[in-house]
Amino acid sequence: DAGVIQSPRHEVTEMGQEVTLRCKPISGHNSLFWYRQTMMRGLELLIYFNNNVPIDDSGMPEDRFSAKMPNASFSTLKIQPSEPRDSAVYFCASSLTGGVQPQHFGDGTRLSIL
Amino acid sequence: DQQVKQNSPSLSVQEGRISILNCDYTNSMFDYFLWYKKYPAEGPTFLISISSIKDKNEDGRFTVFLNKSAKHLSLHIVPSQPGDSAVYFCAATDSGYALNFGKGTSLLVTP
Repeated sequence: DAGVIQSPRHEVTEMGQEVTLRCKPISGHNSLFWYRQTMMRGLELLIYFNNNVPIDDSGMPEDRFSAKMPNASFSTLKIQPSEPRDSAVYFCASSLTGGVQPQHFGDGTRLSIL
Repeated sequence: DQQVKQNSPSLSVQEGRISILNCDYTNSMFDYFLWYKKYPAEGPTFLISISSIKDKNEDGRFTVFLNKSAKHLSLHIVPSQPGDSAVYFCAATDSGYALNFGKGTSLLVTP
């Protein structure tokens, strides 16, 4: 029973480069979430998709961040250009619905911007 | 502005004893609460939840208690096992999609 799959697991890149994080949600789940975890702020929601449509992107920190969900089985989070303060662990999660359903998390992408 | 607070960054408990992890929230609109468990290099895993219409929910060794008047919830693990050593996150929502997470409590269960 496949869970949420994220790639890459680790990414190290230089400041100014474009970074693309990928997520495959659990099949049949129609809600997808991107989170960022830092020591200072903990886990914070960046963007929420329902049925492939972005519903709430108020957590996206800047225009340098963008997210897409072209179909029900794939989503990307892109940072362009990247900055050292973007270094964090990025998690993707999915749930059956957007309501009070537990969200199932992937194992995250640890991003380091040098 | 942290609406969900876990004031104990870490907790150490002996195997077989009770572990009590605490969580406070400030938003009175929150009506559904969840606990997640996280091992290193893995994503958070859902553990147990409770609706505001209840004050207790039990699942095996795990029990969550909710005190709405105090805006406080706690997770009890009895008996604690070494495999329970992990970071525990409390989360709350107002029946919407947005989960507000605490910063976590690192539990260490020693043999």
